[in-house]
Amino acid sequence: EAGVTQSPRYAVLQEGQAVSFWCDPISGHDTLYWYQQPRDQGPQLLVYFRDEAVIDNSQLPSDRFSAVRPKGTNSTLKIQSAKQGDTATYLCASSSDREGANTEVFFGKGTRLTVV
Amino acid sequence: AQSVTQPDARVTVSEGASLQLRCKYSSSVTPYLFWYVQYPRQGLQLLLKYYSGDPVVQGVNGFEAEFSKSNSSFHLRKASVHWSDSAVYFCAVSINSGTYQRFGTGTKLQVVP
Repeated sequence: EAGVTQSPRYAVLQEGQAVSFWCDPISGHDTLYWYQQPRDQGPQLLVYFRDEAVIDNSQLPSDRFSAVRPKGTNSTLKIQSAKQGDTATYLCASSSDREGANTEVFFGKGTRLTVV
Repeated sequence: AQSVTQPDARVTVSEGASLQLRCKYSSSVTPYLFWYVQYPRQGLQLLLKYYSGDPVVQGVNGFEAEFSKSNSSFHLRKASVHWSDSAVYFCAVSINSGTYQRFGTGTKLQVVP
């Protein structure tokens, strides 16, 4: 079974540039998460979807970040006008809420973003 | 809101020695608790999880964790560590299976000869 796939694996930007990250979750998983993991810190949720609907985006900086999951499968996270403080690894994860209490969340390898 | 605290940023142990990594949680309801491991340039891999029942849960690669409601803790243990266990370990909590997990700051484990 293929895992969660993310691309690109690495990105280096200058401040003010835009970047998009792409995530392909495990087939059949209805829930998709985007986390931001600054260096030497734990992952922090940015947004998560169930199918195509946003369930929680309260931690997403809405002025520069956006995320979509139009068909309830793949997802794109975009940063407009990146700042040095956005330097972090961006992790995508997916799970199947339909499995109830034994839901396991599977993580991709992440995209490491450096903003200079 | 629920949260977890990992008080030890770094832990160094000798190969073959026992290990305990600490995790304290805060939650108004009995939480779902998780331990993950992260190797360099890799995503997080689930070691074990606790929902209910036996407070000692077994995970992969000889890891186990014990849930304590009275201490609000979910410490990770291993009887004998191997050099390949060197990694960053994260504790996480959620209030049910359908919500996102909140992570601690992680503990970097170094296993030395």
